[in-house]
Amino acid sequence: RKEVEQDPGPFNVPEGATVAFNCTYSNSASQSFFWYRQDCRKEPKLLMSVYSSGNEDGRFTAQLNRASQYISLLIRDSKLSDSATYLCVVAPSGYALNFGKGTSLLVTP
Amino acid sequence: DVKVTQSSRYLVKRTGEKVFLECVQDMDHENMFWYRQDPGLGLRLIYFSYDVKMKEKGDIPEGYSVSREKKERFSLILESASTNQTSMYLCASNSGTGSNQPQHFGDGTRLSIL
Repeated sequence: RKEVEQDPGPFNVPEGATVAFNCTYSNSASQSFFWYRQDCRKEPKLLMSVYSSGNEDGRFTAQLNRASQYISLLIRDSKLSDSATYLCVVAPSGYALNFGKGTSLLVTP
Repeated sequence: DVKVTQSSRYLVKRTGEKVFLECVQDMDHENMFWYRQDPGLGLRLIYFSYDVKMKEKGDIPEGYSVSREKKERFSLILESASTNQTSMYLCASNSGTGSNQPQHFGDGTRLSIL
């Protein structure tokens, strides 16, 4: 079983739509969770950390469900500039991070 | 703002060459990491370091070595480059002990081995 699994997509949505991505992880002892965004041929950039109580940053909302071992990212009012690959990142104990392979989002006019 | 700088954006080398990829961070981070990213495989950890002169193997260390002589600099070395090491190489850093802090990435080096 893979450590972190994501639907690769692509998700094609019109501008203004709401879109949600899920990610499941296998290590129940995982400590920290993040969503990164990666544009084509660029480096991953931190989008937001994911906290146990859920957290929001503008149009982006992240949720964590430890019992079911999944995290989610909700994007409201999608913009063309949201088109990117979204990486789910899970941190077990230790230093290393486990990266999902990413979910591709394309927002169309 | 965290700045992680990789020495080259694009690099072309020949099979058998010894290749050095350099990474420098300016935030006094304890931890530094080297990944490679390939289509369909995602990011894979090659090596990391949690202190000067300390190194730990990641998931795919074979064919690579690293050096951390100064806190701000972490070098990845391909001892004898092979075509299957053609990839995007990403350096990252973070602070603290453990993985509770997010990692910050450099721009990446696209390495082609001919």
